[in-house]
Amino acid sequence: KNEVEQSPQNLTAQEGEFITINCSYSVGISALHWLQQHPGGGIVSLFMLSSGKKKHGRLIATINIQEKHSSLHITASHPRDSAVYICAVALGPDKLIFGTGTRLQVFP
Amino acid sequence: DAGITQSPRHKVTETGTPVTLRCHQTENHRYMYWYRQDPGHGLRLIHYSYGVKDTDKGEVSDGYSVSRSKTEDFLLTLESATSSQTSVYFCAIRGLAGGGYEQYFGPGTRLTVT
Repeated sequence: KNEVEQSPQNLTAQEGEFITINCSYSVGISALHWLQQHPGGGIVSLFMLSSGKKKHGRLIATINIQEKHSSLHITASHPRDSAVYICAVALGPDKLIFGTGTRLQVFP
Repeated sequence: DAGITQSPRHKVTETGTPVTLRCHQTENHRYMYWYRQDPGHGLRLIHYSYGVKDTDKGEVSDGYSVSRSKTEDFLLTLESATSSQTSVYFCAIRGLAGGGYEQYFGPGTRLTVT
């Protein structure tokens, strides 16, 4: 069993829909990261969380440490949100365990 | 982009040949990392460096070596490339953000071993 599990693996949506991507983990962590990777592109950090909730524009990330679960929400989705979203948990400053990613496609 | 570049961006090489990938950063970060990204796997750590001439192994270090003779450059070498090393390689640096550590990634190098 992977230490970091993301669901769903693939997600399609119509423009404007509310999107949720989930991340569950099985280890003790110091922080959780959400990353975005566009096709053929580099990897960009969206959020780093150790508790609670963070919001940036249309993106919201939450974490429940007791349940070892985090969600990434996208409100009013847009085709430019199409990307792979990666969850990574930090066991320490040099030890990140990455999920396999959720591929999101948003259609106009 | 945290001033990270990788070279080459694309490379095709034959089995058994040596290959060196370069990661260059302009912001004097102490910690640098090499990852590989493969379908069906999350990013996996190959090696990392915590200073000039200070390196350590990650979870998938077999077949790879690294060197760091200057703060700004972290080199990844495949001594004798194999087809299983076909992958996309990402370099990253560690920086402080929002009270914790974040890793910032380079643009990646796509390596194909034929």
